[in-house]
Amino acid sequence: DTGVSQDPRHKITKRGQNVTFRCDPISEHNRLYWYRQTLGQGPEFLTYFQNEAQLEKSRLLSDRFSAERPKGSFSTLEIQRTEQGDSAMYLCASSTDRLSTEAFFGQGTRLTVV
Amino acid sequence: GDSVTQMEGPVTLSEEAFLTINCTYTATGYPSLFWYVQYPGEGLQLLLKATKADDKGSNKGFEATYRKETTSFHLEKGSVQVSDSAVYFCALPPVSGGYNKLIFGAGTRLAVHP
Repeated sequence: DTGVSQDPRHKITKRGQNVTFRCDPISEHNRLYWYRQTLGQGPEFLTYFQNEAQLEKSRLLSDRFSAERPKGSFSTLEIQRTEQGDSAMYLCASSTDRLSTEAFFGQGTRLTVV
Repeated sequence: GDSVTQMEGPVTLSEEAFLTINCTYTATGYPSLFWYVQYPGEGLQLLLKATKADDKGSNKGFEATYRKETTSFHLEKGSVQVSDSAVYFCALPPVSGGYNKLIFGAGTRLAVHP
C-alpha cells in the first residue's frame, strides 16, 4: 500500500484555463475527501465521496468546480475558468467508513493561477 | 456547529524546550480528537489521536489528553527538536452527520532553533 497519491504535485496555469487534478486513495478505503488549503490556514472541506456517490459539497465549491469518482476508485477534481483566488493547495484524503476514524492525506497539488 | 480553536502561532522555541499548543473544541457529542502535523511542502500526517474522554494519545514524544470537562486536547512535548518544526493542526470529526468530515483548526506553526 503506497498511501494516498495525488497528481500533479504542482500546477501553474493562466487565469481562465481549466485544470484537472487526480487522487488515488488507499485501495481499501471507500471514503474520499477533497480539501483546499490556503497559505496560513487549515484545510477547508470541499467535497466527500462514499464509493462513487458524492454525498456532500461545501458552499466553497462553486459551479466552476466539479469532482468525480467513477467506479469508486480514483477521483478527479476539475476547476473551470480558473481565477487567481483558486490558487491554493488541494488535498485529497481517504478513510474507511468506521465512524470517527482518521483520514489519510496525500501530499497535495499546489495550484498557482497567474 | 462543531468547531476547533487553536492557539495562534508562530511558536518559536529553542531545541530541548517544552512545547504546549492549546486546542479547544465545540461539539454536540463526544467525538474522537486528532492532531495532524504538516511538514514543509508535504501533506498532513496523523500525529496522534484519542477516542474518548481521559484518553491520552501519544506518538514521537508528543502527548495530548482528551479533557471533556474543559473541552480541550492540548498538544505537549517535553523536549522539542529542530526536526519538529512544522505546522500542527487539531481536528475533530463532527459527531452529527454520520460520516467522517474532519474539521480543522487554523494550525499552529512551530519553529525550533538549535
